[in-house]
Amino acid sequence: QKEVEQNSGPLSVPEGAIASLNCTYSDRGSQSFFWYRQYSGKSPELIMSIYSNGDQEDGRFTAQLNKASQYVSLLIRDSQPSDSATYLCAVNMGSGGYQKVTFGTGTKLQVIP
Amino acid sequence: GAGVSQSPSNKVTEKGKDVELRCDPISGHTALYWYRQSLGQGLEFLIYFQGNSAPDKSGLPSDRFSAERTGGSVSTLTIQRTQQEDSAVYLCASSLFSYRQEAFFGQGTRLTVV
Repeated sequence: QKEVEQNSGPLSVPEGAIASLNCTYSDRGSQSFFWYRQYSGKSPELIMSIYSNGDQEDGRFTAQLNKASQYVSLLIRDSQPSDSATYLCAVNMGSGGYQKVTFGTGTKLQVIP
Repeated sequence: GAGVSQSPSNKVTEKGKDVELRCDPISGHTALYWYRQSLGQGLEFLIYFQGNSAPDKSGLPSDRFSAERTGGSVSTLTIQRTQQEDSAVYLCASSLFSYRQEAFFGQGTRLTVV
């Protein structure tokens, strides 16, 4: 089982729709969760961080965390063609003196005009 | 510095030559990561530093790859006897050592082995 799993996609949504991206992780003790956006030919860019169960909203983006189910999601409302990118889920795993951020392989999102 | 800085941005080398890639993390960031990304592929973890020590080297693909970090700051990734399959973008990221561990990436070094 991979430590951080994402569907590779591509996920295609029409412009204006809600895009829902999902991620599961293996380490039940994980405390911190992140979403990165990576445009083609560019480096990953941090867009959301979430640390406790529930929702974290920032503009059109909402991160959702369910630690009991070991599940993190990212919702993008009113999707725009400029949101077309690969979205990477990352989880801070480990505890105490050893913690490491582990990335999923990413989900490619295509927003169709 | 303001962000993670990597050099060079691009490197073209001949097969069999050694290359060194450099990463300057954000000031104060004690955790440092190296990743490799081939065209159209996901991030491939290479090595993780906490301070100057590397508790996780599990991603280094062969003994031709090595990395070091000095003074808890700058890191160098060295690839010896480069092969064509080493061609990729090499990304460095750094973070504070805290439970938040928000990692920030440099712009990457594009390595082409000809």
